[in-house]
Amino acid sequence: AQKITQTQPGMFVQEKEAVTLDCTYDTSDPSYGLFWYKQPSSGEMIFLIYQGSYDQQNATEGRYSLNFQKARKSANLVISASQLGDSAMYFCAMREGPASGGYNKLIFGAGTRLAVHP
Amino acid sequence: EPEVTQTPSHQVTQMGQEVILRCVPISNHLYFYWYRQILGQKVEFLVSFYNNEISEKSEIFDDQFSVERPDGSNFTLKIRSTKLEDSAMYFCASRQAIRPNYGYTFGSGTRLTVV
Repeated sequence: AQKITQTQPGMFVQEKEAVTLDCTYDTSDPSYGLFWYKQPSSGEMIFLIYQGSYDQQNATEGRYSLNFQKARKSANLVISASQLGDSAMYFCAMREGPASGGYNKLIFGAGTRLAVHP
Repeated sequence: EPEVTQTPSHQVTQMGQEVILRCVPISNHLYFYWYRQILGQKVEFLVSFYNNEISEKSEIFDDQFSVERPDGSNFTLKIRSTKLEDSAMYFCASRQAIRPNYGYTFGSGTRLTVV
């Protein structure tokens, strides 16, 4: 079974509007972390936002927020006020196990390609 | 902002040749990883490394692959006899246990092309 599922291969949004990128996950471990990364056409992986499984509040980082619904096992990324520079591939990823287990790997979803139109 | 540095950024090699991909992790990080991304596909875990030994490896990481940290700063991935299907972007990542929220810092990648 897929551990991380991103059902939207591609999305587009008008500049200055908000967009939600979907991510669902599957784990039986009570301790886990969820990450979103941005990959522009240049190829590097840029960390955006993190949500721990025990965090009570949804994570926010500037224009990025994570809509964490634990019971539904979803961790959607919301980008507010989209900019042309937001056009990129976006990956959801999960770390299973506690954060203190530093060797725990990240498992990635297939990604969503976002296009921001002027 | 500390960075993970990968060299070279691009490498073209003949099938059957050995390649070494190099990474300099962030200096106070303790955990190291290699991932690969075949063009247009998902990012796949290859191997994690801690305390000078492999912590975990994936099915992809077969006997053709090896990793080492030869001098306390560099972290290398060696592919002994490259195949066409090894063509991919290879990412190195490092992490420290103290700040798990921002733990996984990725390098800019090495694009390997096997011809």
